[in-house]
Amino acid sequence: RKEVEQDPGPFNVPEGATVAFNCTYSNSASQSFFWYRQDCRKEPKLLMSVYSSGNEDGRFTAQLNRASQYISLLIRDSKLSDSATYLCVVIPFSGSARQLTFGSGTQLTVLP
Amino acid sequence: GAGVSQSPRYKVAKRGQDVALRCDPISGHVSLFWYQQALGQGPEFLTYFQNEAQLDKSGLPSDRFFAERPEGSVSTLKIQRTQQEDSAVYLCASSLIGAGGPTNEQFFGPGTRLTVL
Repeated sequence: RKEVEQDPGPFNVPEGATVAFNCTYSNSASQSFFWYRQDCRKEPKLLMSVYSSGNEDGRFTAQLNRASQYISLLIRDSKLSDSATYLCVVIPFSGSARQLTFGSGTQLTVLP
Repeated sequence: GAGVSQSPRYKVAKRGQDVALRCDPISGHVSLFWYQQALGQGPEFLTYFQNEAQLDKSGLPSDRFFAERPEGSVSTLKIQRTQQEDSAVYLCASSLIGAGGPTNEQFFGPGTRLTVL
């Protein structure tokens, strides 16, 4: 079983739609959680951190449920420019190690 | 530019050849990470440096993979006797300190796309 699992999609949605991505992680001792965005043939870039209290950044809302080991990302009013792969990322607690553990990514295409 | 740079951007190697991939982190960043991203997958951790010290190399897939950062800045990932399964994008990331918290963001370079024939 992979440490971080995501629905691979693809999600094809019309402009203006609301879309939600889900992610589960297996290590209950994981400490930090993020969503990264990766455009085709580009490097991953941090979209937002995820906190237990939930957090919002404009049209993007992230939620963390530690009891269920579940992370979500909600995108409202989708734009064409939101088309990308969204990577769920966890930092497991492991001494000095600070590596990011990535899910396989969920591909989103926003259609005109 | 002030970002992470990697070279070469593309590398084609014949099976059995040795390759060296270079990463220039953001100036002043203490931590440096190497990741391997296969097609259709998320990046997977290879190794981690804090300054010149290699603190974690648990992700290196075999002893053909070797990384160094001798002066705590530029890093080189070397792959000896390349195999077809080594074909992937190799990403380098740097962060100011460790990446244990939301303020210690890892910034990624554009990657080196390695194709082994």
